[in-house]
Amino acid sequence: EVQLVESGGGLVQPGGSLRLSCAASGFTFSNYAMHWVRQAPGKGLEYVSAITSNGGSTHYANSVKGRFTISRDNSKNILYLQMGSLRAEDMAVYYCARAGYSSSWYMDYWGQGTLVIVSS
Amino acid sequence: SYELTQPPSVSVSPGQTASITCSGDRLGNKFACWYQQKPGQSPVLVIYQDDKRPSGIPERFSGSNSGNTATLTISGTQAMDEADYYCQAWDSSTSYVFGTGTKVTVL
Repeated sequence: EVQLVESGGGLVQPGGSLRLSCAASGFTFSNYAMHWVRQAPGKGLEYVSAITSNGGSTHYANSVKGRFTISRDNSKNILYLQMGSLRAEDMAVYYCARAGYSSSWYMDYWGQGTLVIVSS
Repeated sequence: SYELTQPPSVSVSPGQTASITCSGDRLGNKFACWYQQKPGQSPVLVIYQDDKRPSGIPERFSGSNSGNTATLTISGTQAMDEADYYCQAWDSSTSYVFGTGTKVTVL
């Protein structure tokens, strides 16, 4: 069974940093690209970042480019999101999601999410 | 930037058909997928590549995509289908884009 378990969320002050983790199990982690997606309270889904299966290529939404860094450790089956210069608008539940591909990319499994609160 | 627009809400009676639209410029030239999100839960993929159902998704969920509109259809809607639904598309120039979301209410 595919499982994705996020951790690392919490309360952080504006301008602060936080690192999220996503522990993967139930599939060969190193074979799959991965994503981070967020959802602000009461709002819709927003793509944040993606990383290829070997970590060699990354992509970011314009809203986080230059402030967030996605990475992965295929030896530990863990996906990371290092978040810096956090703003109030970054407050959200952050989900990790596995990439699926069939003529186009989608997200076939999601974790339960971890809440990031940005407040002084 | 590329945008996908959905109606904020759709109401349907149990056993009837619900249709949720997702509109975007030349969306039919891309592939669309759909996610279901129940309150307090993570999203679940229900349709990918316009009209494919992942294993475990009931046959009452179907999808289509043509022109500027992708559509998710729920036939014989059940109370358990009450949720928020999001469309999503991808291409190399716009990357991932999610729709604005539709709340489906089963009355």
